[in-house]
Amino acid sequence: DADVTQTPRNRITKTGKRIMLECSQTKGHDRMYWYRQDPGLGLRLIYYSFDVKDINKGEISDGYSVSRQAQAKFSLSLESAIPNQTALYFCATSGGGDLTQYFGPGTRLLVL
Amino acid sequence: RKEVEQDPGPFNVPEGATVAFNCTYSNSASQSFFWYRQDCRKEPKLLMSVYSSGNEDGRFTAQLNRASQYISLLIRDSKLSDSATYLCVVSPTGNQFYFGTGTSLTVIP
Repeated sequence: DADVTQTPRNRITKTGKRIMLECSQTKGHDRMYWYRQDPGLGLRLIYYSFDVKDINKGEISDGYSVSRQAQAKFSLSLESAIPNQTALYFCATSGGGDLTQYFGPGTRLLVL
Repeated sequence: RKEVEQDPGPFNVPEGATVAFNCTYSNSASQSFFWYRQDCRKEPKLLMSVYSSGNEDGRFTAQLNRASQYISLLIRDSKLSDSATYLCVVSPTGNQFYFGTGTSLTVIP
């Protein structure tokens, strides 16, 4: 089984809808991250969390919120989706003093 | 100015060739450097960390030049399976990570 899982894998939604992307990990890592990937722009950090009570904004947090429900779970919400939030979203984890990031398989989001 | 810049390519090389990618970073205080590999429509995976003294892993060699603020990746004896996008990653403090846009490599039979 995959160590980092994301649900859903694909999602189509309409402008103005609220949606949540979920990430779970079985690696026992403290650190979790949400990125989005756009063609020509690379991966950009949205939010990151170093433990359940720690949430930090990344480069592009506007329009997004997150929740760290447990060490193993980190959710990303789009309160009111807009078309320019169409992207590939990745969750990642790291921990144990090692900066290596382990990515989930990604969620493809299309906002119409 | 972008934190990390890479030549997007594409690089198309024959099997067995040697190919090199460079990546520049803007924050001179950056501490940690990595190369990740991303296959089409898949998640990125760590290829190798980059150490100050340079490091090698099989056919792959990574170098760091702090004075000029760039890192490089050399791939020797290219294989078809090396075809992918290579992402340069820089972390100033170990908290946030900045990714380059990636360099596309296609190895041709």
